[in-house]
Amino acid sequence: DAGVTQSPTHLIKTRGQHVTLRCSPISGHKSVSWYQQVLGQGPQFIFQYYEKEERGRGNFPDRFSARQFPNYSSELNVNALLLGDSALYLCASSPQPGQGSGNTIYFGEGSWLTVV
Amino acid sequence: DAKTTQPNSMESNEEEPVHLPCNHSTISGTDYIHWYRQLPSQGPEYVIHGLTSNVNNRMASLAIAEDRKSSTLILHRATLRDAAVYYCILRDWNDNYQLIWGAGTKLIIKP
Repeated sequence: DAGVTQSPTHLIKTRGQHVTLRCSPISGHKSVSWYQQVLGQGPQFIFQYYEKEERGRGNFPDRFSARQFPNYSSELNVNALLLGDSALYLCASSPQPGQGSGNTIYFGEGSWLTVV
Repeated sequence: DAKTTQPNSMESNEEEPVHLPCNHSTISGTDYIHWYRQLPSQGPEYVIHGLTSNVNNRMASLAIAEDRKSSTLILHRATLRDAAVYYCILRDWNDNYQLIWGAGTKLIIKP
């Protein structure tokens, strides 16, 4: 079975541009989360979506937005890119929230974003 | 802020057991203890989780202190492929919204 897939794997953008990152969860998983990981640090939570609704948001500016589609795939959008947005962006999927912490969260390989 | 404390790095010899400690003195009754690891240039990978009792799976064992304020991830025979950053995370039973990550422990395996 396919795991969590993310695209693109690597991309370079210029300051001020916009970027869209895509994620397909594991088949049957309805919850998708996004994390930002700066080099040398642990991932930081950005968003969680379940059944196309935002269920959680981390401490990120409004330049960051996301959505989930009827097939449970998701997009993360970042506007007006800054140099500090350079990071690995991780997508994670899980069956559904509220089922207790026994749910395992599965991560994709990430999208490496470099802002120049 | 992360709710767990881990050493920045540890070294171990190949084929020997590795004990990775984690302190979580503010753990609540509804917090599960999760461990993930991240190999270089890859996304995090689930390792194991537990609540109160020790847990075993094909990858590792998790030993949880009786007061639950600390835990230890045990790799029984470390291989070079186990070299990674290991993260200990508390996850509320009622909150699936996010994982709060610390900096993790970088495990170095010496051949």
